[in-house]
Amino acid sequence: DQQVKQNSPSLSVQEGRISILNCDYTNSMFDYFLWYKKYPAEGPTFLISISSIKDKNEDGRFTVFLNKSAKHLSLHIVPSQPGDSAVYFCAGSDGSGNTGKLIFGQGTTLQVKP
Amino acid sequence: DTGVSQDPRHKITKRGQNVTFRCDPISEHNRLYWYRQTLGQGPEFLTYFQNEAQLEKSRLLSDRFSAERPKGSFSTLEIQRTEQGDSAMYLCASSRREDEQYFGPGTRLTVT
Repeated sequence: DQQVKQNSPSLSVQEGRISILNCDYTNSMFDYFLWYKKYPAEGPTFLISISSIKDKNEDGRFTVFLNKSAKHLSLHIVPSQPGDSAVYFCAGSDGSGNTGKLIFGQGTTLQVKP
Repeated sequence: DTGVSQDPRHKITKRGQNVTFRCDPISEHNRLYWYRQTLGQGPEFLTYFQNEAQLEKSRLLSDRFSAERPKGSFSTLEIQRTEQGDSAMYLCASSRREDEQYFGPGTRLTVT
C-alpha cells in the first residue's frame, strides 16, 4: 500500500522556466507534507513544508500547493536553475501517532538544462 | 548548528557479521529518526525516538536490528548477523517539531 506516490519518474525543464513536481497521497491522517531534494551519495535536504490545513506555502523560489480534496500536492520552482537538478521527494508526516514519521514517495528526478 | 552527522559514511562487511552505526543529531532536537533507503526508492521509516524513549518501530525492523539513544543525545543502530538484503543507505534525521526533519549524510552499507 503506497501512501505517497510520485507518478513522474523524471522531469526536464529549461533554465529560467518553471518546474512543477507532483505528488499524490492516500492517507488522510497526514498533518504535514514535506519536500526534499537529494543529490547522489548525500542525505535528503529539507526544502519546504506545508500544513494540511493550508493550501499554499512559499519560500523564495519554492512554492508548495496542497489540494486536500484531490489529495494532491505540487512543488513549483521558479525560476529553475541548473543547480536544482536532483531527485525530489515528497513525504507525508503521519499525524496518527504524533511521531512525525515520514512516508516518502519514490522520487522524481529533475534535470534543469542550461 | 552543525547539522546531523553520521559515522561511518561507508561500511563494507561480510554476511553474518555485526555492524553498528552512529548518529549525532542537531543539538536540542528531541526527536530522532532512522530510515533506510534502497536504490530507486524513497527512504523508509525504521524507528523513532523522543528523547531517550524509543516510541515506534517499523515492521521492517527485524529482531536482528536494535537501536538505542542513551541519555537522549546520540543514537546507535546495530544490525546483527547481516544479510545481503541489508545493503542500503541508512539515514538518520532529527527535529524539534513535526513540520521539519533534517537528515544526515547517511551510512552506505554493503554486505558481501
